[in-house]
Formats: sequence, C-alpha cells, structure tokens
Amino acid sequence: GDSVTQMEGPVTLSEEAFLTINCTYTATGYPSLFWYVQYPGEGLQLLLKATKADDKGSNKGFEATYRKETTSFHLEKGSVQVSDSAVYFCALSYNTGKLIFGQGTTLQVKP
Amino acid sequence: GAVVSQHPSWVICKSGTSVKIECRSLDFQATTMFWYRQFPKQSLMLMATSNEGSKATYEQGVEKDKFLINHASLTLSTLTVTSAHPEDSSFYICSASPSGSKDETQYFGPGTRLLVL
Repeated sequence: GDSVTQMEGPVTLSEEAFLTINCTYTATGYPSLFWYVQYPGEGLQLLLKATKADDKGSNKGFEATYRKETTSFHLEKGSVQVSDSAVYFCALSYNTGKLIFGQGTTLQVKP
Repeated sequence: GAVVSQHPSWVICKSGTSVKIECRSLDFQATTMFWYRQFPKQSLMLMATSNEGSKATYEQGVEKDKFLINHASLTLSTLTVTSAHPEDSSFYICSASPSGSKDETQYFGPGTRLLVL
C-alpha cells in the first residue's frame, strides 16, 4: 500500500542554519505531495505542495521538489529561524481528500 | 480565514463513558470533514470521512459503532467515542475541506486529547 516515511527527529539546528528534512514515499499511482507544519498548540497548516513530477512547491522560504525517480519530496530551507520550530509532516493524496501522512519530524531551532 | 475549531481541547473520562468531540469550520462551509487519530510520536491515521447529510465512510479497521460520526450541518461534525476504554486514549484531529474547493486543501483543527482512565 501507499506510505510516507520521514527522517526521525528531533532535528536541532542553530538559527540561520540550512535545513533538510527527508521524505520518501511509496505509491501505486501518481499522487500529489504535501508538507504540513504544526506549530505548538495549533492545527496542521499546509506549507507547500506539488501535484506532479518535477514540480517544486515553495512557501515562506521552504522548498520541496517532487522527484519521481527517487520517490522523494525533501523539505529544504536555506536559513531557519527560531519561529520555524514546529513539527513537519510529509503527506500524499490521490485527490480523493484522503491524506496519508508520514510520522512527523520535530524541528527545534536555537538562537 | 479558513479556521477550524475543536471542542473540547482535552478531556478526561472514566472507562465505559461516552465522549463527544465537536469540529467546526468557523468561516467557511465544509461538505466534507475528516477525522484523524494520532498516537504519540506516530503519524496521523485517517479514521473516517464525514459527509454532510450522509453516512460517514470509515477506514478499514475502524469500528463504526465505536466511533460515531455525525455531520448534521455544513459547519459541524461530531465524533462520539462510545463506551470509551483506556486504549481509546489518543489525540483526535479533524480537518475540513471547503465546499466547492478545487485544490482540495484541508484545514485542520488544533486537536482534542482524550484520556480514558
């Protein structure tokens, strides 16, 4: 079946460091891929998405490219801030509304 | 915009009692809402898809008689955990998809933490 695997956390970085959170997926078809972020005490928010191979999603300085050949959708940011501390979820969907999530990766950014 | 609320944010109950969790879309109408369950340090698992005015669609392995879902209006869905037991303790999260939306973006509530003693 379809699944999403993320790198285990927590990931701890200093402010202005480069961020990569790895995400790989297993899919029987051609899903859309998403990154959601959950700030402390809040609900998940869509961070970015890509709907087909080679698409790049970007938002708030974060980027992720849909790589069909490596079945990956790694999240990157060039310079993290303390305010980026949150839990990040990678997910896939076949446009049915049903989201399949990875286990989440906690990011801690220290000043 | 696009805010989803859940009530209560946390609840403690005795084993054998029933607990109702509300999910509301505050500033949009949602024909479809989703209920997820999240265990500590694990992924969100979809429990059921709730459609306004019709029966919910449950995922495989989710007991529909245990987790009753009602979506009586375009802004409210409820999840009732019936005869709760300690193994039902978890973090329950709902999401809502705006009616008529073409990009299928879901907006998530902040979650409800349930502890069954």
